[in-house]
Amino acid sequence: QLVLTQSPSASASLGASVKLTCTLDSGHKNYAIAWHQQQPDKGPRFLMRLNSDGNHRKGDGIPDRFSGSSSGTERYLIISGLQPEDEADYYCQTWDTGIKLFGGGTKLTVL
Amino acid sequence: QVQLQESGPGLVKPSGTLSLTCAVSGASISSGNWWSWVRQAPGKGLEWIGEAFHSGKASYNPSLKSRVTISLDKSKNQLSLRMASVTAADTAIYYCARDHDTDDALSFWGQGTMVIVSS
Repeated sequence: QLVLTQSPSASASLGASVKLTCTLDSGHKNYAIAWHQQQPDKGPRFLMRLNSDGNHRKGDGIPDRFSGSSSGTERYLIISGLQPEDEADYYCQTWDTGIKLFGGGTKLTVL
Repeated sequence: QVQLQESGPGLVKPSGTLSLTCAVSGASISSGNWWSWVRQAPGKGLEWIGEAFHSGKASYNPSLKSRVTISLDKSKNQLSLRMASVTAADTAIYYCARDHDTDDALSFWGQGTMVIVSS
């Protein structure tokens, strides 16, 4: 069964870097995912598609300080030089034939 | 640039039918893309409802499949969502979204519309 797992919360200091993790179930370790950002009281925004080899395609206008990497079943969103506006919920999303699903989301707090 | 705008009644009575539309600009609903509905209950995460393709094919979240219909209107360049037999648990912000040209990442999102199920 296709499952995505995210930690509920993370925090990091202003200007620092943070790595958020999305874990696929072991039966789908080669699957690509997408990362989405949802700032408070706003709709989701597509950040990037991330492949199992770490290659990623970012959405239009996404700053360079957002990047992605992969290792095994884990997919990472790395944010460097944290800004106040990066405080948001981050969701990973994947897909298979006839289905899409989301991870539970990680709430990032910028200290 | 693809733009999506949801609209519909903000209040629906329990056991009634929720009906929403999503107006599409900057792209054709007849393109080779899947068009999705996603919802978010208050304080909760994102839940994929289902998707439709211009050929008429549709796929749904198994947990909602018996109550949901997603369709595309080529003449109006919009997609629609109908959800029957709603309860308070269906209270949520409803978003429409489109995948990318080359993969199923939801790459374009609407702003969302809030629907409250209450008598």
